[in-house]
Amino acid sequence: GAGVSQSPRYKVAKRGQDVALRCDPISGHVSLFWYQQALGQGPEFLTYFQNEAQLDKSGLPSDRFFAERPEGSVSTLKIQRTQQEDSAVYLCASSLAAGGSNEQFFGPGTRLTVL
Amino acid sequence: DAKTTQPPSMDCAEGRAANLPCNHSTISGNEYVYWYRQIHSQGPQYIIHGLKNNETNEMASLIITEDRKSSTLILPHATLRDTAVYYCIVRAAGANSKLTFGKGITLSVRP
Repeated sequence: GAGVSQSPRYKVAKRGQDVALRCDPISGHVSLFWYQQALGQGPEFLTYFQNEAQLDKSGLPSDRFFAERPEGSVSTLKIQRTQQEDSAVYLCASSLAAGGSNEQFFGPGTRLTVL
Repeated sequence: DAKTTQPPSMDCAEGRAANLPCNHSTISGNEYVYWYRQIHSQGPQYIIHGLKNNETNEMASLIITEDRKSSTLILPHATLRDTAVYYCIVRAAGANSKLTFGKGITLSVRP
């Protein structure tokens, strides 16, 4: 189908390694969000893009986290020097209009395990 | 922080209605009530949203009290596939409108 896809679905990293997580939003969707979901918790907001502009990065937990969406479609979340506390599911969501006030469509997530 | 409170869990029998409560006593006039659900190992899925009127779609009904301080999501005929974590979210319309999830309520539908 034409839903949100994320890759890889699972990633195991050694502590200190850099990782890159990819999100392919629904074609034509203006808004793109990243969320982090720790085990047993609800998703928590990380960052928001409107087209290629990163308008809100208030949820990024440290400067080791970096996100980009250079052409306003595919987005990459990069985590440098991973730590064990970064272990979580990383969810991407897109919505049609600016501001995300429409329904957000979520991908299946990438489960990151840092050893 | 989430502006909603939900019981941690509930169960219901397959084929019966599931009524999921949510309190949002500090909701503002321009904030909507959204419901999402998350089936195990999947991303959250939108169910329904409303401002002050009751809403119904093919998945569920949303009943919002007149004072808007609480709401109930109703799944009219629960199936085993409705077993999931259900999140009640208060969200302002407009720019950069991220979703603020709480812990949600785990609904278990029993055969």
